[in-house]
Amino acid sequence: GENVEQHPSTLSVQEGDSAVIKCTYSDSASNYFPWYKQELGKRPQLIIDIRSNVGEKKDQRIAVTLNKTAKHFSLHITETQPEDSAVYFCAASGAAGNKLTFGGGTRVLVKP
Amino acid sequence: DTAVSQTPKYLVTQMGNDKSIKCEQNLGHDTMYWYKQDSKKFLKIMFSYNNKELIINETVPNRFSPKSPDKAHLNLHINSLELGDSAVYFCASSQRQGRDQPQHFGDGTRLSIL
Repeated sequence: GENVEQHPSTLSVQEGDSAVIKCTYSDSASNYFPWYKQELGKRPQLIIDIRSNVGEKKDQRIAVTLNKTAKHFSLHITETQPEDSAVYFCAASGAAGNKLTFGGGTRVLVKP
Repeated sequence: DTAVSQTPKYLVTQMGNDKSIKCEQNLGHDTMYWYKQDSKKFLKIMFSYNNKELIINETVPNRFSPKSPDKAHLNLHINSLELGDSAVYFCASSQRQGRDQPQHFGDGTRLSIL
């Protein structure tokens, strides 16, 4: 089945700096890669997603890039703000099992 | 208007008891899911239903039994609760079946076993 590795597990940045989270996946047939943000005690919330026919997607201060050859994708947050502090999860949809497999999460702390 | 709503939000009970968690979505979606998030925040799918039919059944103890009376509801019943069942359980839904469908999560049910 699909295996998703996410790095780093924790990330501390100064307000205004950029944050980058990287994920690798194992199933070359994966075709959908969402990113979720989970604030403390809250639900995971879809913030951006990318499909395998696209290499990059941007939405205001967040962007996601996908390298299908290397089987990795990344989340970029620019001009970070304290409200960006949360746990971020990547996920990939492997061909087996018709399901999403999540990475282990990255705890992002934006220091004012 | 909460799109995916779960009840209860908190559930504290003793080992050996039986409990249920309810989930409802008002998005008109066809597919619903149950996820377990453990203490290390790892999210793992447990079950998925599409139009009341079971389509995903991960390696979950048979003490866990999902039930979908209609496509807007997916409930989770747990028998003989164990300490290891303590976790946050999230319900989610997607417009239709398929591994490339965006999933929308409920607020979670925090289950604590004493």
